[in-house]
Amino acid sequence: DADVTQTPRNRITKTGKRIMLECSQTKGHDRMYWYRQDPGLGLRLIYYSFDVKDINKGEISDGYSVSRQAQAKFSLSLESAIPNQTALYFCATSDYDSGTDTQYFGPGTRLTVL
Amino acid sequence: GQNIDQPTEMTATEGAIVQINCTYQTSGFNGLFWYQQHAGEAPTFLSYNVLDGLEEKGRFSSFLSRSKGYSYLLLKELQMKDSASYLCAVSALTGGFKTIFGAGTRLFVKA
Repeated sequence: DADVTQTPRNRITKTGKRIMLECSQTKGHDRMYWYRQDPGLGLRLIYYSFDVKDINKGEISDGYSVSRQAQAKFSLSLESAIPNQTALYFCATSDYDSGTDTQYFGPGTRLTVL
Repeated sequence: GQNIDQPTEMTATEGAIVQINCTYQTSGFNGLFWYQQHAGEAPTFLSYNVLDGLEEKGRFSSFLSRSKGYSYLLLKELQMKDSASYLCAVSALTGGFKTIFGAGTRLFVKA
């Protein structure tokens, strides 16, 4: 089984709809992240969480919100989706105690907003 | 702020050696990562450098010079399956501990 899973893997929705992307991990890591990836722009950080009670904005948090329901679960919501939120979304985890903070990514969610 | 530069695309021949460069500007440097990402898939960890010098891992090696803000990823004995994007990422302790990714270098390996 994959260590970091994301649901759904693909989603097509309409402008104005509320969307939730879910991420679960079995790696036991404290840190979790949400990124979006657009062609030519690389990975951009949306939100990150270093612990269950810790939520931090990344560089592009406008239009998004997150919930860290448990150590293993980190959800990303788009309250009112718009077309420029069409992108590939990745969840990632890391273990700071390992000394390197290497990130481990889920398989991604391809979101299309019409 | 932080800035990472790497070439957009490179092409190399199967069996050859290719070097992908990355330059960065950051404060609170805490290490540099290389990740591999095949099209439509998740990035996967390749290497981590925090001290100056060369780290070798099989066909892949990564070099870091902190004073120059420079790193490279060296791929030897190229195989077709090495066709992918290679992401340079810098970990920094400034403004909270986080990792910033470069836009990636798309490597095409031709027969």
